[in-house]
Amino acid sequence: DTGVSQDPRHKITKRGQNVTFRCDPISEHNRLYWYRQTLGQGPEFLTYFQNEAQLEKSRLLSDRFSAERPKGSFSTLEIQRTEQGDSAMYLCASRNNSGANVLTFGAGSRLTVL
Amino acid sequence: SQQGEEDPQALSIQEGENATMNCSYKTSINNLQWYRQNSGRGLVHLILIRSNEREKHSGRLRVTLDTSKKSSSLLITASRAADTASYFCATALGGSQGNLIFGKGTKLSVKP
Repeated sequence: DTGVSQDPRHKITKRGQNVTFRCDPISEHNRLYWYRQTLGQGPEFLTYFQNEAQLEKSRLLSDRFSAERPKGSFSTLEIQRTEQGDSAMYLCASRNNSGANVLTFGAGSRLTVL
Repeated sequence: SQQGEEDPQALSIQEGENATMNCSYKTSINNLQWYRQNSGRGLVHLILIRSNEREKHSGRLRVTLDTSKKSSSLLITASRAADTASYFCATALGGSQGNLIFGKGTKLSVKP
């Protein structure tokens, strides 16, 4: 197991295009989180899954954002009709359901919207 | 919204010196965690301190927690150039099952 994997690492797109990010968590982790981080700021919570169920969504997650975890393993985060304000690092993290709430993060997917 | 706020926002020291970063938070917590982030990378968990603990050590790291003041500090002793990174504190609303909320971080620069 190589930890949490995110793909792509970098994405440059034009305003109005759709983008999709993928996250593969640590295999035995049933909780998966998405965070967004802009330059000079800390990660901001977007949403999380327990297995395939999306249990919480932040107010930051507008209608243009959708996240799925169809089989309780990998997850995708799609942004439709991207805006320049969507430019950020999108971080995925995972953890076990039991024990302390320590997160293992992926390296992130950096989005630049032109 | 930010639950934790780190102080200072930036810190520059020489190799071998100690670095101290502080974190303040707003609500009651179950535990407080510190993470490190190298430039352009994901976050790495460093240490967790529970609400009933006052101090914890891990290698060159020392964390303190004062629940009466809702504050924590992270001390890195004998710093190295490789410690250059941003450091974030994180707390969970709603106990250990709550989602982690991160502060804005302290950017540490250790000069050789």
